[in-house]
Amino acid sequence: GAVVSQHPSRVICKSGTSVKIECRSLDFQATTMFWYRQFPKQSLMLMATSNEGSKATYEQGVEKDKFLINHASLTLSTLTVTSAHPEDSSFYICSAENRGRGYENTEAFFGQGTRLTVV
Amino acid sequence: SQQGEEDPQALSIQEGENATMNCSYKTSINNLQWYRQNSGRGLVHLILIRSNEREKHSGRLRVTLDTSKKSSSLLITASRAADTASYFCATDAGGAQKLVFGQGTRLTINP
Repeated sequence: GAVVSQHPSRVICKSGTSVKIECRSLDFQATTMFWYRQFPKQSLMLMATSNEGSKATYEQGVEKDKFLINHASLTLSTLTVTSAHPEDSSFYICSAENRGRGYENTEAFFGQGTRLTVV
Repeated sequence: SQQGEEDPQALSIQEGENATMNCSYKTSINNLQWYRQNSGRGLVHLILIRSNEREKHSGRLRVTLDTSKKSSSLLITASRAADTASYFCATDAGGAQKLVFGQGTRLTINP
């Protein structure tokens, strides 16, 4: 299967600083990537859809100025948590799809996740 | 908003027994997928079932889909301790690009 690499796996930052999380598709081109947030023992909540070469589409209630998404190439999307606060502490996961395979057979490939702790 | 609901939220069984998890959704779908997540890790795709399929098998996994009831089930047969994880169903919400995940079932297999 396709491989998606997410980095870093863990990060601790001070309140008020910014943190960048990278999501890379290693062996396929991903025109679309997705960013999710997951609280402990809960499901994944979609934050935004990242489209290569265009602006990300944010879900309702997600602050686009707070969570900056850049998808400058077909293999890399980044999520930057700006001016992080303790309430931003969470598990962030990205996924990528290879649209070339056909939408009906779309299988999302997930990164390993990033555990963000804001102190 | 989350579309899917899964039950049970938590399931604990003995090794060797079968585990069944259920998922319900609200809108029409093109396909439904099941994923597995080990604690603190990303998700691993298990199986995809299309809306025109009723049952699908993959190894020890059996998935059913009832579009009239908007529900799906995942059966893991002959469970192993290594099957301990959270299991999520996800739908494409009627053709939308994004996946919508259920609340998940935390499965614990006791040795």
